[in-house]
Amino acid sequence: AQTVTQSQPEMSVQEAETVTLSCTYDTSESNYYLFWYKQPPSRQMILVIRQEAYKQQNATENRFSVNFQKAAKSFSLKISDSQLGDTAMYFCAFMKPRVTGNQFYFGTGTSLTVIP
Amino acid sequence: DGGITQSPKYLFRKEGQNVTLSCEQNLNHDAMYWYRQDPGQGLRLIYYSQIVNDFQKGDIAEGYSVSREKKESFPLTVTSAQKNPTAFYLCASSMVTAQGYTFGSGTRLTVV
Repeated sequence: AQTVTQSQPEMSVQEAETVTLSCTYDTSESNYYLFWYKQPPSRQMILVIRQEAYKQQNATENRFSVNFQKAAKSFSLKISDSQLGDTAMYFCAFMKPRVTGNQFYFGTGTSLTVIP
Repeated sequence: DGGITQSPKYLFRKEGQNVTLSCEQNLNHDAMYWYRQDPGQGLRLIYYSQIVNDFQKGDIAEGYSVSREKKESFPLTVTSAQKNPTAFYLCASSMVTAQGYTFGSGTRLTVV
């Protein structure tokens, strides 16, 4: 079974600063995908960034980037120039494509607070 | 605009009653999923469906049932057999690719 671990239940960062959220996972699969989702107080889950395991290049979406270390099974999220709207719960997720249906495994989340 | 609609947003149930949560999508996605979210436990998979009239149990299916009679709809019934049903329930959908989920806005179920 796949497991996803987020070891930081809560974090805070000053507005305009940079913060890194950590995520590790355990799998014996070689083909998989990794995701970061954001859940603001509205509780709507929003896809932040996606990484294919077969790609060595780290994914980037504007102020959000990842540090994907496949050998170490690590997938951290860096948020640059933090904004008040970044305050949310962040979930790391692992996905193994399957013919019978893609299944996601989620971490327990990191609650991020951006301080003005 | 395409998306997933979950209703109602808040739901109260008396002990011993069954209750059905609605999930409708107009994204033409093949797959649909139900997750339960509890504080400190992340998201746990209840049921999922890849095609109409077919669905599979997830990690915590006991006390729940689903149907998939139409591609657009995937309702979840929380039965009286579910021991601790108070939680936040999220519905999601995806194409049968690796593009990730689109989530609904969730339903908060409280047993009173």
